Amino acid sequence: GAVVSQHPSWVICKSGTSVKIECRSLDFQATTMFWYRQFPKQSLMLMATSNEGSKATYEQGVEKDKFLINHASLTLSTLTVTSAHPEDSSFYICSATGPNLGYSPLHFGNGTRLTVT
Amino acid sequence: GIQVEQSPPDLILQEGANSTLRCNFSDSVNNLQWFHQNPWGQLINLFYIPSGTKQNGRLSATTVATERYSLLYISSSQTTDSGVYFCAVLGGGGSNYKLTFGKGTLLTVNP
Repeated sequence: GAVVSQHPSWVICKSGTSVKIECRSLDFQATTMFWYRQFPKQSLMLMATSNEGSKATYEQGVEKDKFLINHASLTLSTLTVTSAHPEDSSFYICSATGPNLGYSPLHFGNGTRLTVT
Repeated sequence: GIQVEQSPPDLILQEGANSTLRCNFSDSVNNLQWFHQNPWGQLINLFYIPSGTKQNGRLSATTVATERYSLLYISSSQTTDSGVYFCAVLGGGGSNYKLTFGKGTLLTVNP
């Protein structure tokens, strides 16, 4: 149980275009989702937290107009990288949890490797 | 926010050796998880262990919440154990929960 599906697993796009990444909870209701970014040989850095039906909370230094997060349902959250540039190339990974946040483990998608040319 | 420190940053072992990875955190936490990140980037959840001791095959983990640390033990290591091991802690509360990762331990197991 507790499967999180992330799509696509990798994407290559041209500079200036937008890319949407989907994160789905397949067998539970994800009331909270977290989006992380990981550069090569570094740790995962939290970008934003989204709760179903409300606006995402972004970490300091993360541009909310560039990284649009939508959590419109209990099973789907999307991250859109708008007007992507080569410096946005990174590994993006989502995590989801149910209403018992704080008392149950978080489950992660398999990540999306974004390359902007 | 909560600070998470992992040690050692790098570890090289011969197959069959045992090892201990450490995770220190700066404040009380609601939960703690250990992950293994494979070469494809997938995070494999090893343990959800806010306190106490758990074992799963050759791996075991202990968290002493009152002293703010957790240990991951790997016994009889195998080459497939190679990769990065992350400790992540969940702190905050209400709408401010955050799962913060340490910088990881890069484990290399040589045949």
